[in-house]
Parts: sequence; structure tokens; C-alpha cells
Amino acid sequence: GAGVSQSPSNKVTEKGKDVELRCDPISGHTALYWYRQSLGQGLEFLIYFQGNSAPDKSGLPSDRFSAERTGGSVSTLTIQRTQQEDSAVYLCASSLGTTDTQYFGPGTRLTVL
Amino acid sequence: GENVEQHPSTLSVQEGDSAVIKCTYSDSASNYFPWYKQELGKGPQLIIDIRSNVGEKKDQRIAVTLNKTAKHFSLHITETQPEDSAVYFCAASIGSGTYKYIFGTGTRLKVLA
Repeated sequence: GAGVSQSPSNKVTEKGKDVELRCDPISGHTALYWYRQSLGQGLEFLIYFQGNSAPDKSGLPSDRFSAERTGGSVSTLTIQRTQQEDSAVYLCASSLGTTDTQYFGPGTRLTVL
Repeated sequence: GENVEQHPSTLSVQEGDSAVIKCTYSDSASNYFPWYKQELGKGPQLIIDIRSNVGEKKDQRIAVTLNKTAKHFSLHITETQPEDSAVYFCAASIGSGTYKYIFGTGTRLKVLA
């Protein structure tokens, strides 16, 4: 079946602009995660959604970052007033339930000039 | 805070040889340890995982060992093949029964034909 999809695959923006990154999880998966992968680093947890529960936003690095998940499916990660240090690959993952295997999408490579 | 250290950062082996990647973790409550393989331009893919009630797990050419006392876990790949070339990440759950992982910084494995 279809895996996790993300769009766009690449995004180049100017410092100070807002960007939106989209994630389509695997159908039927109730849990959705966003991670950030900076060059040469491991994955950094950003935010977690589970069903209708309040999201765990504890990994968001600043209030410029926000995310929403509409209808328990598609999620959008928004970065406002982008900075050069926001340049990274943003990965989305989904899992059937909270403690199940996380399946990752291909990521969105964000470059802030 | 919680930490996962991964070594080596790069590893080159001849085709057919074995490869070993080691990780140490700091959170004694961690009870789930997945390993991910990331190929160029793709998201991480789970290749094997182990829970803290097991000392070793094997899946064909891949095995993972866990030493809870020393807080070490390792990935072993035998009879390496060129298609094993990728970046490998270890991770440890933050606490027990949680969806949050701390990732290592990755090991770039090159299998030389």
C-alpha cells in the first residue's frame, strides 16, 4: 500500500518568509510525528499527534513553529519568519498506534537563504 | 538530559565482511531500541528493533544485541553487500512505553565491492 508522503520534496525560501510543509500519513494510522534532521545529525523530535488527543509539542524549537492535523489525517508543519538555522530535512512519520513501528516519509528538504 | 552516542560515524568494509555499529544510551528507563537505515533521498526505514527484556535478536544477516547493565546496544550486519551501503541510525525510547525516541547521529556505512 501507499506509504507516508510529503510535499514538497524540496523548498527554497528567503529568510523571513513563512513556509508550510505537508504530510500524508499511511491510511488508518492514528499517530503522526514530525522530526527535523540537520546535516550530520540524528533526528530531532518536534511534535506528535495521536487521534483526538492534544498534541505533544514539547520538541518544537520556538514559537515560530506550529503544526496541525486536520481530520485525523493530513498534517501541516508551519514555520513562520524562517531563519537560516531552520534549514534541514523535515521528516514525517506515522504509526498504527502509539507504540507501534514508525514509518517515515521521504522528507522535505528546506533551504533558507 | 537523555543522550544516545553512536560510533563510528563512518565505516568502510569489504563486501562479504561484517559490520558492527555501537550505541550507548543514558536513560536507564529506556526499553525500546530501534535501528533505522536511511538511503540517499529517502526517509529512515526500520530494519530491526529490540526490547529491554531480550538480549539479542536476529533477522537473516542482521542482528542486534543489548546490554542493559552497560547501556550498550549494537547492530551487526554479516556478509555485507553493496546494497547495505547507507546511513544507519540507532535510537532509544525516552523512558518506557513512550513514542519519543532519542536518535544517534548516524553511521555512514560503505560496502566496497
